[in-house]
Amino acid sequence: SQKIEQNSEALNIQEGKTATLTCNYTNYSPAYLQWYRQDPGRGPVFLLLIRENEKEKRKERLKVTFDTTLKQSLFHITASQPADSATYLCAPNSGGYQKVTFGTGTKLQVIP
Amino acid sequence: GAGVSQSPSNKVTEKGKDVELRCDPISGHTALYWYRQSLGQGLEFLIYFQGNSAPDKSGLPSDRFSAERTGGSVSTLTIQRTQQEDSAVYLCASSLSSTYSNQPQHFGDGTRLSIL
Repeated sequence: SQKIEQNSEALNIQEGKTATLTCNYTNYSPAYLQWYRQDPGRGPVFLLLIRENEKEKRKERLKVTFDTTLKQSLFHITASQPADSATYLCAPNSGGYQKVTFGTGTKLQVIP
Repeated sequence: GAGVSQSPSNKVTEKGKDVELRCDPISGHTALYWYRQSLGQGLEFLIYFQGNSAPDKSGLPSDRFSAERTGGSVSTLTIQRTQQEDSAVYLCASSLSSTYSNQPQHFGDGTRLSIL
């Protein structure tokens, strides 16, 4: 069955460092992959989308890579700030063009 | 402009009662999704509406769960004869839809459902 794995343990990093979050998927080949941010008590907020024919996508301090051979996406936040503390969800598409399956997320804590 | 609106934000009810959760999507969004998120868990897909097409109900966990979308806009998720395992946050999302591209989903802040 399709499976999406994100680091279940929280990631703690020092302010100013680069945070790297991992998303691995198995048993399918998504055409695209989305990343979302979720704060406590709020719904997820869309950050970036990367397609299977794109190796890398950037937006301000964010960078996403998509390796279809390794079946992995990496999400980077450079010059991290305490305000970046949140849970980050990866969501490869599945079962159709408009559907995605969400990973369980990785909780990021940026320490001042 | 207004985002996705869900109501109520919190609902506490007794086991065995029926509940209705409401979602107002962003105007003009033809796709609408319902998810369930239990404590410490990921988002579990429940149902997907796309325009006038038959909804994708493949994620509904039992026949106690149903959803409607009237007039291509507002949607209601109904849970009949609630059980304690139904306690979770129910999230609604909407998106533009296109056959040839993929669109991000815009989420409401959810309804926190507690079954006593």
